Amino acid sequence: DTGVSQNPRHKITKRGQNVTFRCDPISEHNRLYWYRQTLGQGPEFLTYFQNEAQLEKSRLLSDRFSAERPKGSFSTLEIQRTEQGDSAMYLCASSLTSLETQYFGPGTRLLVL
Amino acid sequence: AQSVTQLDSHVSVSEGTPVLLRCNYSSSYSPSLFWYVQHPNKGLQLLLKYTSAATLVKGINGFEAEFKKSETSFHLTKPSAHMSDAAEYFCVVSWPKGSGNTGKLIFGQGTTLQVKP
Repeated sequence: DTGVSQNPRHKITKRGQNVTFRCDPISEHNRLYWYRQTLGQGPEFLTYFQNEAQLEKSRLLSDRFSAERPKGSFSTLEIQRTEQGDSAMYLCASSLTSLETQYFGPGTRLLVL
Repeated sequence: AQSVTQLDSHVSVSEGTPVLLRCNYSSSYSPSLFWYVQHPNKGLQLLLKYTSAATLVKGINGFEAEFKKSETSFHLTKPSAHMSDAAEYFCVVSWPKGSGNTGKLIFGQGTTLQVKP
């Protein structure tokens, strides 16, 4: 068990480009969560999956954002037509159930120029 | 709605002195409460959690927190600060059992702990 991993760790892109991040949860963890953390703030919930089903999306998740978790394993978060306001740290967490501890990955830091 | 407020954005202590990081929560239900720590360039790590068992919760690295329902507080303490404790600390609340619990975490704004030699 190597914990939650995220790739890439850093991403610099130009405004208007699309980006995709990947999260590999701890194996056998059914729950997978995405959070966003901007500078000087605490992480904010974006969305979560129970196995392959996406069960809740925050209002922060505009229609430019899409997340998937095919086969209930890894997850991807795609941002289309990036904007400078999308610059943030994107964090992934997984847990065995909704009541269990969430384990966080190291995050993907996105900078939109 | 649930929310959490960390009363200090920045706390500075000398090595070997006690640490107190303050947190108040708002919840319509009995909450689950957590403290997470974030070191630079590292992922969030769980320090401790309260889930309606003992009100005094002991965590890793000598930290502990006390759940006080009457004060709606969950302050984090440590008797003696170490240089390695310097980091960002987050107080976190989660939707409790029986309330359509999604498990999503609601974070406070964070408290930066500085430890001076």
